[in-house]
Amino acid sequence: QVQLQESGPGLVKPSQTLSLTCTVSGASISSGSYYWSWIRQPAGKGLEWIGRVHTTGNTNYNPSLKSRVTISLDTSKNQFSLNLISVTAADTAVYFCARTDFYDNWFADWGQGTLATVSS
Amino acid sequence: EIVLTQSPATLSLSPGERATLSCRASQNIGTSLGWYQQKPGQAPRLLIYEASNRATGIPARFSGSGSGTDFTLTISSLEPEDFAVYFCQQRSNWPPYSFGQGTTLEI
Repeated sequence: QVQLQESGPGLVKPSQTLSLTCTVSGASISSGSYYWSWIRQPAGKGLEWIGRVHTTGNTNYNPSLKSRVTISLDTSKNQFSLNLISVTAADTAVYFCARTDFYDNWFADWGQGTLATVSS
Repeated sequence: EIVLTQSPATLSLSPGERATLSCRASQNIGTSLGWYQQKPGQAPRLLIYEASNRATGIPARFSGSGSGTDFTLTISSLEPEDFAVYFCQQRSNWPPYSFGQGTTLEI
């Protein structure tokens, strides 16, 4: 059974870069059968899909965040990462990593989430 | 971007009652809609995919219906553990995959 675990600094200063990592166990991120996504949720609010990466290196991003986001893979560590530049308080949220099958694109597997706070 | 509008925002019911949650899409998405349940401090859990298919391990009291722009999640007889927040999500027209704002099901 696949498990996903987010990690990264809980506090980031405004204008800096938020960097998070998702460590995957029980499945290989090198498998072509899946996409690996980041989703965020501000406190008390809904879910926002940030973007995804495939083992081929192909990425897709939410147009509202595309200019600030990079998602990448580290197959040697079975991890994928999120970099969000020029953060503001509006980027404060719980960040989830998640997996979808290549074809069906439903978020069936999730990490537990990690809170990232943007504050000076 | 497809906007999903859920109603009601909050639904107050008792265990044993039937719950009906609605999700309306801003344009036709066929049956490309899923439902998720989220409890406090937890990640969302996929309940229903492709409008009406239960995900693995989801009890039969959960059912989904609809197509086009109007969708419904029904919980036939509420159990205490069903009180949570429910989100719909579309995968028809992306990026981005979009979610509804959620319905809180409270006792």
